[in-house]
Amino acid sequence: QQQVKQSPQSLIVQKGGISIINCAYENTAFDYFPWYQQFPGKGPALLIAIRPDVSEKKEGRFTISFNKSAKQFSLHIMDSQPGDSATYFCAASRPEKLTFGTGTRLTIIP
Amino acid sequence: DGGITQSPKYLFRKEGQNVTLSCEQNLNHDAMYWYRQDPGQGLRLIYYSQIVNDFQKGDIAEGYSVSREKKESFPLTVTSAQKNPTAFYLCASSINRGLDQPQHFGDGTRLSIL
Repeated sequence: QQQVKQSPQSLIVQKGGISIINCAYENTAFDYFPWYQQFPGKGPALLIAIRPDVSEKKEGRFTISFNKSAKQFSLHIMDSQPGDSATYFCAASRPEKLTFGTGTRLTIIP
Repeated sequence: DGGITQSPKYLFRKEGQNVTLSCEQNLNHDAMYWYRQDPGQGLRLIYYSQIVNDFQKGDIAEGYSVSREKKESFPLTVTSAQKNPTAFYLCASSINRGLDQPQHFGDGTRLSIL
């Protein structure tokens, strides 16, 4: 049973464009929503996170939008750069553990 | 530099063999986790430990075992009962089990079958 659904599976964006990755969850017990960035051969690294009492959080070029009623949240990468090319995972947390989405492979082309 | 060290980076297992993956952290974190990563399936939780000498099964614990004898170490054994062990294994830690404590990951061990 997949509790966090992530889309798209892969995404190609032109340099300078906006990259958007979407996630939806089912379990209303989740109450912390981080995004992780993973480069090939490396472990994931925390990128940005949000709690459901906030509708939006911005850190530099990265923004999380959160819709509690729809049980959806998304990552927006503004002014996408080639260095942003990586796999991105959304996740949802209860106090004991994280549940991850299936990942989005993002490629930024010149 | 504080961090999580996983070893070896690559590991090969023969049929019927048990293998142990090492995970060491010097972040003084209480909680440690093991995940398995397969293409297209994201990360799935194998085992986690909130405190020394205590651990809990995750979503896919069958065929795996762990120990937590020291705060800084959380080794994972892939037993011969795990019939499809080929995957990328990731170890993580967090300060404690509390809400919004970020998990810090090692750089993984890639396990393959000979």
